[in-house]
Amino acid sequence: EVQLVESGGGLVQPGGSLRLSCAASGFTFSSYWMNWVRQAPGKGLEWVANIKEDGSEKYYVDSVKGRFTISRDNAKNSLYLQMNSLRAEDTAVYYCASDTSMVNWGQGTLVTVSS
Amino acid sequence: QSVLTQPPSASGTPGQRVTISCSGSSSNIGSKTVNWYQQFPGTAPKLLIYSNNQRPSGVPDRFSGSKSGTSASLAISGLQSEDEADYYCAAWDDSLNAWVFGGGTKLTVL
Repeated sequence: EVQLVESGGGLVQPGGSLRLSCAASGFTFSSYWMNWVRQAPGKGLEWVANIKEDGSEKYYVDSVKGRFTISRDNAKNSLYLQMNSLRAEDTAVYYCASDTSMVNWGQGTLVTVSS
Repeated sequence: QSVLTQPPSASGTPGQRVTISCSGSSSNIGSKTVNWYQQFPGTAPKLLIYSNNQRPSGVPDRFSGSKSGTSASLAISGLQSEDEADYYCAAWDDSLNAWVFGGGTKLTVL
């Protein structure tokens, strides 16, 4: 059974940093693109970033370019999202999702940016 | 303002057929395949349709997808109360080099 478990969310002040993790199991992690998708409270889904199987390609939504970095450790079956210079508008539930079509999703982790 | 445009709401009575539209452009729907996701309040989204019209295993055949030009549609036949949820379309955008989602459609079963 595919499992994706996010962690690392919490309350952070504007301008602060946070690192999200996503632990994957039940599938060959190193064979799939991985994604981060977020959902602000009461709002729709917004794709944030994705990363190729071997980490050689990465893409980001414009609003996080230069502030967020996606990475992965295939030996640890883990996906990461380093978030710097956080803003109030980054407040959201962050989901990791597997494969190019975002087939499987984790339960999400809440990031709140507030003073 | 979402890159893909969906109606904010849709409704139908049990047993009815409802459709939800998703409008895009040549850089996304016009040249890429479309996925649809279903989300219940407080839960993670679930892939409902991929590659325009393919259903993952376990998704009832009451759900179907189609695409024509720069628009796509999700159809739900034999509407059931448990179909009440939010539905999102998504496609890769070649100009943005990013996945883009529709704003979501809240489906109400009357």
